[in-house]
Amino acid sequence: GAVVSQHPSRVICKSGTSVKIECRSLDFQATTMFWYRQFPKQSLMLMATSNEGSKATYEQGVEKDKFLINHASLTLSTLTVTSAHPEDSSFYICSARDGGARFGEQYFGPGTRLTVT
Amino acid sequence: LAKTTQPISMDSYEGQEVNITCSHNNIATNDYITWYQQFPSQGPRFIIQGYKTKVTNEVASLFIPADRKSSTLSLPRVSLSDTAVYYCLVGDGAGGSYIPTFGRGTSLIVHP
Repeated sequence: GAVVSQHPSRVICKSGTSVKIECRSLDFQATTMFWYRQFPKQSLMLMATSNEGSKATYEQGVEKDKFLINHASLTLSTLTVTSAHPEDSSFYICSARDGGARFGEQYFGPGTRLTVT
Repeated sequence: LAKTTQPISMDSYEGQEVNITCSHNNIATNDYITWYQQFPSQGPRFIIQGYKTKVTNEVASLFIPADRKSSTLSLPRVSLSDTAVYYCLVGDGAGGSYIPTFGRGTSLIVHP
């Protein structure tokens, strides 16, 4: 089946620094990618939707200047957490929609564990 | 966007069949029903998808009644490794505006 990768899988950074997370669709073209955040024992919360070549659409309450999303190609989207703080520590998951699939199948990445100290 | 309701948790034992039901009263005509499985610290994994009646694959079955207002994921003969959270999502995956939105999910615990 289709594969979505994320890099890094784990990252620890100091408060005030920025962290970039990459999401790649390895064997299909992803016209749309989604970024989620998941806190312990909670469900996935959608942060933003990104379409290749256009600005991301952020969910209410998500700061677009703090969580920078770039979808520069049909196989790569990046999420940059700027000026990270301990409360940004979470599990970040991306998903990609296969633009060529009949039912627009979604595939999820393995997630990135961010810890801000 | 169709809202889904699932039991928060379920317990079972190895070898038993587990049925998890999801309610989606506001499902639209073009919506499909998709189930995902998630283990701790991993991304969700696709299990099965259906539109109506019954769908079966190598890991599960999905039963959808005629009114499509609910669906039941059936896991035959569960094992300890099936302990996970299961999410039911409803939407028009082929539609350009579909945004996969997760509800609370069902935490399944399989006991020895």
